[in-house]
Amino acid sequence: NAGVTQTPKFQVLKTGQSMTLQCAQDMNHEYMSWYRQDPGMGLRLIHYSVGAGITDQGEVPNGYNVSRSTTEDFPLRLLSAAPSQTSVYFCASRGDNEKLFFGSGTQLSVL
Amino acid sequence: GNSVTQMEGPVTLSEEAFLTINCTYTATGYPSLFWYVQYPGEGLQLLLKATKADDKGSNKGFEATYRKETTSFHLEKGSVQVSDSAVYFCALSDPPGGYQKVTFGTGTKLQVIP
Repeated sequence: NAGVTQTPKFQVLKTGQSMTLQCAQDMNHEYMSWYRQDPGMGLRLIHYSVGAGITDQGEVPNGYNVSRSTTEDFPLRLLSAAPSQTSVYFCASRGDNEKLFFGSGTQLSVL
Repeated sequence: GNSVTQMEGPVTLSEEAFLTINCTYTATGYPSLFWYVQYPGEGLQLLLKATKADDKGSNKGFEATYRKETTSFHLEKGSVQVSDSAVYFCALSDPPGGYQKVTFGTGTKLQVIP
């Protein structure tokens, strides 16, 4: 049972480039979400989804785009990367009893 | 809005010492409360949870009691080990059980030295 799988683990971008962070879960969870983790700020919610075809914004959605075409996948797109988006990104799905299952993270640097 | 406040770290303890990491919260309703742990290079894992006042969550020797009167959920362990070195996050969901976002604290780094 793989749980939540994120790719890539590391990425370096130049300002203005675009990219997609991949997230997949094999637990048939309806709820999936993306967080960013920055020093001294904990985890902040970017976007979330409560099922295929349904997405909504979190605390810090600007500069990011998501879609949910299947229950398993929830990719996060950076449309035009900026240095302020340098961070560690975590995908999480939610199972029974409100438990969040996290991927191992993507460390992104934008130069 | 909802918020979670944790004690500043890092916390450095000797092996077998007693651990307390303070956590207080602000919520509009009656939230569920959580402690998550993050080991180096990994994602967060649920350590324990409590869903109503006076509930005690426990796991792997860690405990935390939901104190509604003081809006607190302090994490404790009687005897820490080197393997407990990690970052600990307090979190809440409000209202509990629905499709609402989870609010996290800033995390407290624990280092246990032999």
